[in-house]
Amino acid sequence: DQQVKQNSPSLSVQEGRISILNCDYTNSMFDYFLWYKKYPAEGPTFLISISSIKDKNEDGRFTVFLNKSAKHLSLHIVPSQPGDSAVYFCAASLMNRDDKIIFGKGTRLHILP
Amino acid sequence: KAGVTQTPRYLIKTRGQQVTLSCSPISGHRSVSWYQQTPGQGLQFLFEYFSETQRNKGNFPGRFSGRQFSNSRSEMNVSTLELGDSALYLCASSPAQGGLSTEAFFGQGTRLTVV
Repeated sequence: DQQVKQNSPSLSVQEGRISILNCDYTNSMFDYFLWYKKYPAEGPTFLISISSIKDKNEDGRFTVFLNKSAKHLSLHIVPSQPGDSAVYFCAASLMNRDDKIIFGKGTRLHILP
Repeated sequence: KAGVTQTPRYLIKTRGQQVTLSCSPISGHRSVSWYQQTPGQGLQFLFEYFSETQRNKGNFPGRFSGRQFSNSRSEMNVSTLELGDSALYLCASSPAQGGLSTEAFFGQGTRLTVV
């Protein structure tokens, strides 16, 4: 049973438009959420995080929204750029408990020219 | 400063063999976590070491083990390899325990293929 689900294995978005990546979780105890970006042949790099006391966190072109009642979070990238083409992993955890971090399977984002 | 270094980058082993992977964290970082990435399961936590002690362990069989040295370098060992162990093994370095919650830095990974 997957506790963190990224239901879209891939997503294609036109350059300049908004990319929205979705993530659902089942464990209401999770209180910290992270997004990682991964290029081929490289390790994942941290993108943005949000704790459960917030419903939005913004960093430049990246915004993460958290809907606790729906157990849903999303990553918005505006505007999308070619360098954003990568695999995006959503992760959920209990703060400071690495053994409780659960990753989604990832969504491959393609930015089209 | 230098990033997280994992060696080797690629490895091919046969079933039943054992393998040791190495991870050198960012200088000054004391926490090293290991992850397995497969297409079917995504990223899964293996274990975390902090100050030479295993602090947390994921849900993997005892064939997967690790250790951390006094210079914070870490090794991961997998014994009696199975075909299903073929994966990308990633390590993440962090200054404090509970690394991923404080935004860790990943290495490039070791791609292990078991034949």
